[in-house]
Parts: sequence; structure tokens; C-alpha cells
Amino acid sequence: AQSVTQLDSQVPVFEEAPVELRCNYSSSVSVYLFWYVQYPNQGLQLLLKYLSGSTLVKGINGFEAEFNKSQTSFHLRKPSVHISDTAEYFCAVKRDSSYKLIFGSGTRLLVRP
Amino acid sequence: DSGVTQTPKHLITATGQRVTLRCSPRSGDLSVYWYQQSLDQGLQFLIHYYNGEERAKGNILERFSAQQFPDLHSELNLSSLELGDSALYFCASSGGGGGTDTQYFGPGTRLTVL
Repeated sequence: AQSVTQLDSQVPVFEEAPVELRCNYSSSVSVYLFWYVQYPNQGLQLLLKYLSGSTLVKGINGFEAEFNKSQTSFHLRKPSVHISDTAEYFCAVKRDSSYKLIFGSGTRLLVRP
Repeated sequence: DSGVTQTPKHLITATGQRVTLRCSPRSGDLSVYWYQQSLDQGLQFLIHYYNGEERAKGNILERFSAQQFPDLHSELNLSSLELGDSALYFCASSGGGGGTDTQYFGPGTRLTVL
């Protein structure tokens, strides 16, 4: 069965510092990978996705992620965070033959001034 | 704004009651998905409909049911409610439901069972 692991439940960081949110997945077949962000009291917004092609994917708000097949990872990065990036971030995986998204447990990014 | 709408935004009810959550997908999307977000279980897939037909079921309780109507809106019915059903329920939609489709999420309905 597929699973998604987000090792860090909370990541505190100072404003303008770089950040990396980690995501590892387990699957024996090809998958599609996604990062969603959830701001307080809001729904999920797509940040970026990896379907195929270049392993470095750029998304909205200056975020990027790198797909690493050998390490089964899809870590999210941003070189300089803002206070407004404070939110919960979810990594998700979908198998080609399945329509459902399987989510990790989420990482709360807390940006401090 | 994702283009997916959900009503109501909040719902407070008592144990044993029945509620209906409504979702309107983005214009042109044929697929609707329902997810439940709770503190203990995280985000869990419940059910997927494509153009009116049920396509996949996840961890959906027998007390829960859903349908997608000819105008493509969907309803999630929750009955015999228990305290543990308190959660945020999200609807998402996508174009065709294929593997590469991106799911766009609505703002959610927060259900509180007292």
C-alpha cells in the first residue's frame, strides 16, 4: 500500500531564512506527487505538482520541489520565507491507476519575525 | 478561489442526526471527490464520482453516502452522526479523473457533532 511520510510535524523558521519541508513516499509503481498548502481556516491550495519530465518543479509563491526517485522523496523548498507563508503544508501522492490522493500528515510551517 | 464551492461552511448538529453537505465543482469538471480531515486521522479520501457514477470508495463509513447529480453537483449525506464524525469535509473536483488530473479543493464544511 502506498504511504506518504512527512517527518516534521512543525518547522519554525525566521523570516527571510530558507526552508525545506521533507516528504517521502512509498510505492512500487509510478506515482504523481503534489504539494498543497492550507492557510488557517481555509481549504487546500495547490502549490506545485510533479507528473513527469524535469525533476525540479517550480510552483506558486516562490516554492519549488525536487523529485528524487532513488530516494523516493519530494522535498519542498523556498529560499526565503515570509510571515505570510505560515500555514500547514501537505504532501500527497497519486498512482496512475488510482484517482485518489493519499496525503501525508502535514507540516506546520511557522515563520517568525 | 479554486472555483469549487461548498455549502454550508459550518454545521453544528447533535448525535444521531442526519446532515447533507453540498459541493459544486469547477465549471467543466466531471469528477468530484470527497475527503475528510480530522485531527486523529488526517486527510482521508472518502469517495469519487465521475459524471454521475461512483468510481472509487475509500474509508467511507456505511452511515455515509454520496451522489452526483446530472448538473454535476454532489452531495455527501452523513447519518446517525457520532461525536467522532466531527471534522472538516472537503470536496475537490478535476477535469476527467485521470491519473494526471489535478484536484482543486473547495473551502470545506466544518461539521461539529455535539
